[in-house]
Amino acid sequence: DVKVTQSSRYLVKRTGEKVFLECVQDMDHENMFWYRQDPGLGLRLIYFSYDVKMKEKGDIPEGYSVSREKKERFSLILESASTNQTSMYLCASSPLDGETQYFGPGTRLLVL
Amino acid sequence: GEDVEQSLFLSVREGDSSVINCTYTDSSSTYLYWYKQEPGAGLQLLTYIFSNMDMKQDQRLTVLLNKKDKHLSLRIADTQTGDSAIYFCAVFNQAGTALIFGKGTTLSVSS
Repeated sequence: DVKVTQSSRYLVKRTGEKVFLECVQDMDHENMFWYRQDPGLGLRLIYFSYDVKMKEKGDIPEGYSVSREKKERFSLILESASTNQTSMYLCASSPLDGETQYFGPGTRLLVL
Repeated sequence: GEDVEQSLFLSVREGDSSVINCTYTDSSSTYLYWYKQEPGAGLQLLTYIFSNMDMKQDQRLTVLLNKKDKHLSLRIADTQTGDSAIYFCAVFNQAGTALIFGKGTTLSVSS
């Protein structure tokens, strides 16, 4: 079974803090994705990566950056957290053909 | 641009059938997907249909695809309280680089 894990289920941070969200997959997938999910807005793609050290902007990259130093790990970084980044963050991975994405359990982030 | 539309809420009684509908604009998807999200959890791939098929049945789930009308539906037979969740329709964008999700349909099942 594919397993995608995220470092935290719940996180509370203060405005201005630097926040790291970690995602690890164990299926040697090439593609990894970060989404945020907000009520009434569904899932929105923040960044994705097709390979180590490669990244592509999604629909809403502003205020975020990512890092993919190893194939299995994809990190989402909030350089200076703001209250409007309070959200549920979902990581996903897929193999090279990209036909099916597998999701982690999500990290619910609250920025105070 | 590409878009995926779903109704936001559906309420049914236990034992009834549920039908969740989805329409999409442009897509290069070879497969079209239904994901399920239970409260507090991530998304779980529920089922998918190959774009050359009209229908796929998987136990209590039936997926219907009308490519001409760009319409996808998910039917859940004999709906149970455990089926209460948010259901997302997803297709690939024209470039084939990313999945586009609908906003999700919240299914509420009452006993």
